[in-house]
Amino acid sequence: AQKVTQAQTEISVVEKEDVTLDCVYETRDTTYYLFWYKQPPSGELVFLIRRNSFDEQNEISGRYSWNFQKSTSSFNFTITASQVVDSAVYFCALSVNFGNEKLTFGTGTRLTIIP
Amino acid sequence: DAGVIQSPRHEVTEMGQEVTLRCKPISGHDYLFWYRQTMMRGLELLIYFNNNVPIDDSGMPEDRFSAKMPNASFSTLKIQPSEPRDSAVYFCASSPRQGSYTEAFFGQGTRLTVV
Repeated sequence: AQKVTQAQTEISVVEKEDVTLDCVYETRDTTYYLFWYKQPPSGELVFLIRRNSFDEQNEISGRYSWNFQKSTSSFNFTITASQVVDSAVYFCALSVNFGNEKLTFGTGTRLTIIP
Repeated sequence: DAGVIQSPRHEVTEMGQEVTLRCKPISGHDYLFWYRQTMMRGLELLIYFNNNVPIDDSGMPEDRFSAKMPNASFSTLKIQPSEPRDSAVYFCASSPRQGSYTEAFFGQGTRLTVV
């Protein structure tokens, strides 16, 4: 069985600060995919990034960056120079095999950026 | 592409009534998922289909819940009879064929309130 743990329930930071959201996963499968989704106040789920288990390269996309470490089973997400529009609930998720099958979600981290 | 389309966006019903939620996946996608989001349980998979065939319905909470996918472009999730504890946001998602390196695409969700 798969499990995703997001220990941080809520985080508040002042605008322009950097913030890191933690994600720890558990799976016995050797092929798996990790995802981050954003859920803004409007409620939809917005895909941010996908990573497979064979690619441990960190990724940067604008102000967003992701650190994948198999040794610690972690896939952490950092927002640099946070903005009010980053306020949302962020979910980490895991899928085995090809990554387009069922997702196991973490409980989410509610991020509030204070102007 | 219009994305995954769910209807209705909001539904308020009385306890005991039948509720039907609808989903139109992205054309060409082989997988269809139904997720439920509640404060207590977070995002959880209810059921998913591959090529219109139910693959895993272990997340369906009880016999009051049923899901069908009569063709590749339409799925329903039915609750009969509904209960207040079924109040949640129900998401439908679809993804391409097995082996595709991609993610699931989510609909806007249906917010169900059972009073």
